[in-house]
Amino acid sequence: QKEVEQNSGPLSVPEGAIASLNCTYSDRVSQSFFWYRQYSGKSPELIMSIYSNGDKEDGRFTAQLNKASQYVSLLIRDSQPSDSATYLCAVNRWGSGGSNYKLTFGKGTLLTVNP
Amino acid sequence: DGGITQSPKYLFRKEGQNVTLSCEQNLNHDAMYWYRQDPGQGLRLIYYSQIVNDFQKGDIAEGYSVSREKKESFPLTVTSAQKNPTAFYLCASSLTGHRLDQPQHFGDGTRLSIL
Repeated sequence: QKEVEQNSGPLSVPEGAIASLNCTYSDRVSQSFFWYRQYSGKSPELIMSIYSNGDKEDGRFTAQLNKASQYVSLLIRDSQPSDSATYLCAVNRWGSGGSNYKLTFGKGTLLTVNP
Repeated sequence: DGGITQSPKYLFRKEGQNVTLSCEQNLNHDAMYWYRQDPGQGLRLIYYSQIVNDFQKGDIAEGYSVSREKKESFPLTVTSAQKNPTAFYLCASSLTGHRLDQPQHFGDGTRLSIL
């Protein structure tokens, strides 16, 4: 089982709709979760972080975490063409070497917002 | 402005040649990381450093080497032993690797190709 799984997409939504991006992880001791946006040819950019079960909202973005189901999602409301990008889920857990946290990335979901 | 600077943006390597990718940060972050990204793949950790003069192998360290002589600098050398070096290389930093709420922030990346 892969450590962090995302649907590769592409996920296509019309402008103004809600885009829902999902991520599951295999390690129950994972403790913090990040969503990064990566435009084509560019580097990843942090957009959300979440540590506790429930929802966390920041502008048009809402991150949702369910540790019991090992599931984290990102909702983008009022999607805009400028939101078209690959969204990477990253899961943080204490490393097996016992000296630091380790961040593991999913392969990303490509989102296309159609005008 | 504070940030992470990677250079060069594009790099070409000849067979049997070692090349060095530069990464400099002025964020006063303790932890620095090198990742490799291949098309359609997630980010894979090459090396990381939690403190000056100390670094650890990541998941795919073979064929790579690093140094951390200064807090702000973490250069990556791609050696001739790395048989498939063509990829997008990303340097990241975080305030510390010992707290779960510290995200990693990325430089703009270096694209390495074989001549």
